[in-house]
Amino acid sequence: GAVVSQHPSRVICKSGTSVKIECRSLDFQATTMFWYRQFPKKSLMLMATSNEGSKATYEQGVEKDKFLINHASLTLSTLTVTSAHPEDSSFYICSARDTGGNEQYFGPGTRLTVT
Amino acid sequence: GESVGLHLPTLSVQEGDNSIINCAYSNSASDYFIWYKQESGKGPQFIIDIRSNMDKRQGQRVTVLLNKTVKHLSLQIAATQPGDSAVYFCAENYQGRLDSGGSNYKLTFGKGTLLTVNP
Repeated sequence: GAVVSQHPSRVICKSGTSVKIECRSLDFQATTMFWYRQFPKKSLMLMATSNEGSKATYEQGVEKDKFLINHASLTLSTLTVTSAHPEDSSFYICSARDTGGNEQYFGPGTRLTVT
Repeated sequence: GESVGLHLPTLSVQEGDNSIINCAYSNSASDYFIWYKQESGKGPQFIIDIRSNMDKRQGQRVTVLLNKTVKHLSLQIAATQPGDSAVYFCAENYQGRLDSGGSNYKLTFGKGTLLTVNP
């Protein structure tokens, strides 16, 4: 099956710093990638939809200047959490949609802890 | 397995029993539905999907039932095993229309159900 990777798997950063999370589709091309966040014992909440070569579409309530998304190639999207605060601590999950179909393939997630 | 308040619904079964996990979806225009399994600290794993023109689909040990009249989805797991213990999410896929004239597909996840299988 299609594989999506994320890096890093875990990151701890200090309050006020920025952290970048990478999402890669390893064996397929994805014109569309999605970024979700998940709090403990909660469901996945879509943050933004990222289309290759264009600006991301953010969900209501998600600050686009705080969560910078770049989708520069068909296999890589990045999420940068800027000026991180402890309340940004969460599990961030990306997914990628194959150019041909509806199915989304999910990455393993990145655990962000802001101290 | 219906969602109640802010707590994750739970379902506890004995190994070998059949499990049924329920989900109510919200958008009558959704055309594609997926069940995911998520183990602790990992990303969601695809289990089975169903399109809106079907009401039942079977996989290996799993069956998904779709009732569009009441916007209800269920996942049946036969002969549940300890390795099935995880949180299960339903997701609905909806094709929305953007103001720009384009379209976007979005997956919306349900609240999830924690399945615990007792040996």
